[in-house]
Amino acid sequence: AQSVTQLDSHVSVSEGTPVLLRCNYSSSYSPSLFWYVQHPNKGLQLLLKYTSAATLVKGINGFEAEFKKSETSFHLTKPSAHMSDAAEYFCVVTRTGNQFYFGTGTSLTVIP
Amino acid sequence: EPEVTQTPSHQVTQMGQEVILRCVPISNHLYFYWYRQILGQKVEFLVSFYNNEISEKSEIFDDQFSVERPDGSNFTLKIRSTKLEDSAMYFCASSEFPGPPNYGYTFGSGTRLTVV
Repeated sequence: AQSVTQLDSHVSVSEGTPVLLRCNYSSSYSPSLFWYVQHPNKGLQLLLKYTSAATLVKGINGFEAEFKKSETSFHLTKPSAHMSDAAEYFCVVTRTGNQFYFGTGTSLTVIP
Repeated sequence: EPEVTQTPSHQVTQMGQEVILRCVPISNHLYFYWYRQILGQKVEFLVSFYNNEISEKSEIFDDQFSVERPDGSNFTLKIRSTKLEDSAMYFCASSEFPGPPNYGYTFGSGTRLTVV
């Protein structure tokens, strides 16, 4: 069975401070992992993906995530939050086939 | 940047009515998907579609649901005899290659369906 758990439903940070959005996964086999972002009234946009290559994955807009097999984690980070980062973030796992398994999402608020 | 377009953005329908949710995938994509998100719950896979056939579907996708690619550009999800519990955000997605392992999908902005 495959699933992801996003540990925080809501995260609030000040502009210019680091962002950490936590995700733990459960997968019987080597998974592929993704982070998607959804801005208000927009589609789900792919931020970054891990597909068994480098464990530190760099994505768009300065985000990155590190795959840690020993901790079954794939946390999303950014060194310095920007106002435009305020959005809903989804951690997604899959192994094969056509199905994505989504986490429940983390709402990021950036305080000016 | 190419986008997946979904219409309408919000639809309200009475219980028992039929609704059709429309999607225009990216033009060179061949694989199409529907997902839904009930308020407060996870985004769930409904169905994948390739070469005018359903390639995979979840247990949610029962006889009440059907998908169609009526022409070269549109991809539709039909829900017959809607129920209150069908109220959700429905996302369409498309991809150039099959399966997600090495590729992310491109998702649309969703259609919020409200059944009253």
